[in-house]
Amino acid sequence: KAGVTQTPRYLIKTRGQQVTLSCSPISGHRSVSWYQQTPGQGLQFLFEYFSETQRNKGNFPGRFSGRQFSNSRSEMNVSTLELGDSALYLCASSLGLAPTSYEQYFGPGTRLTVT
Amino acid sequence: AQSVTQLDSHVSVSEGTPVLLRCNYSSSYSPSLFWYVQHPNKGLQLLLKYTSAATLVKGINGFEAEFKKSETSFHLTKPSAHMSDAAEYFCVVSDGGSQGNLIFGKGTKLSVKP
Repeated sequence: KAGVTQTPRYLIKTRGQQVTLSCSPISGHRSVSWYQQTPGQGLQFLFEYFSETQRNKGNFPGRFSGRQFSNSRSEMNVSTLELGDSALYLCASSLGLAPTSYEQYFGPGTRLTVT
Repeated sequence: AQSVTQLDSHVSVSEGTPVLLRCNYSSSYSPSLFWYVQHPNKGLQLLLKYTSAATLVKGINGFEAEFKKSETSFHLTKPSAHMSDAAEYFCVVSDGGSQGNLIFGKGTKLSVKP
């Protein structure tokens, strides 16, 4: 079974631009979560989608948004990019919502660099 | 509010010697606790999880962790380190709610010397 895939793997953008990252979950998984990883802040939860609905959101500004499609694929969008948005963005999928019952499987991440 | 503190940012051991990665947590609920590993340029992989069953949890690749409520600790151990264990390890706490409520520690980088 194929793992979680994220595209693109690397991205360079300029301040003020917007960016869209894509995540394809493992087949049959209905939950997708997004995380931001930076050297300073570590790993931080962005948001979670289940059955095309955002179920939970972390403490990030409204410039960060996402969506999930009927096939469970998810995209996240960052508008008006800032230098501090440079990070590794990780996507994780699981069968269901509860972390105690369903293991999250992480993709390799998208490395975003904002110049 | 939940939080997790990894007491060492970097641990170095020799191959064949024991590994101890320390984690303390704070939770107002009965927490679920996890250890994840991240190899360079790879995604995170779940090593093990504690969900209020047995306090000694066995994971993959010979790792185990013990939940100690009185000490609010969830340290990760392995009897004998392998070179392939070199990676970054994250201790994670969840309040048991929606999957998104995962709070990650800052990570411990494990180096293994030959």
